Amino acid sequence: NAGVMQNPRHLVRRRGQEARLRCSPMKGHSHVYWYRQLPEEGLKFMVYLQKENIIDESGMPKERFSAEFPKEGPSILRIQQVVRGDSAAYFCASSPQGQNTGELFFGEGSRLTVL
Amino acid sequence: GQQVMQIPQYQHVQEGEDFTTYCNSSTTLSNIQWYKQRPGGHPVFLIQLVKSGEVKKQKRLTFQFGEAKKNSSLHITATQTTDVGTYFCAGMPGNNRKLIWGLGTSLAVNP
Repeated sequence: NAGVMQNPRHLVRRRGQEARLRCSPMKGHSHVYWYRQLPEEGLKFMVYLQKENIIDESGMPKERFSAEFPKEGPSILRIQQVVRGDSAAYFCASSPQGQNTGELFFGEGSRLTVL
Repeated sequence: GQQVMQIPQYQHVQEGEDFTTYCNSSTTLSNIQWYKQRPGGHPVFLIQLVKSGEVKKQKRLTFQFGEAKKNSSLHITATQTTDVGTYFCAGMPGNNRKLIWGLGTSLAVNP
């Protein structure tokens, strides 16, 4: 049973470009969470999605960031017009039920570098 | 707002010494989870505690949940170099269905 798959693992963008990060949850999991981690810092919650629904986006910056989890295909975190401060590791996690019911399974992360 | 504080931020030990990290919440938690992240890696679930005063063991790791369900600890006996990493706690407040993460404790072990 494959784990949470994230790609790309590493992404380099210039300021002003767009970054798209993809996450395929574990088989049978319909809940996806995105977290951002700056170097030497903790995990910062960004957004929680179920299929075709955003459940909680309280951690998402108001501008330039968006997330989706379509009926078919992976969840996507999209960052438009990237700036240097967006450089971070972006982790996706999934769970079979909502986040009040047990462990989160994390992917290996996508590391974004903005030049 | 609701917060989960972890101390210490960093800990450096000699191999064989014990290690403890503490997690304190500003509010009562319905449950608390612990994760480990190796350098360059991703968080991996270790355990979930639910009951007041609960103690769980995994080999050299001992996890406790306080009686008031506002604090928790992770104790590692006789550390090994494989224990190196950052240990995060994440608590679920009783009135909110969203995990609140601590900032983690980074453990370094000298061989």
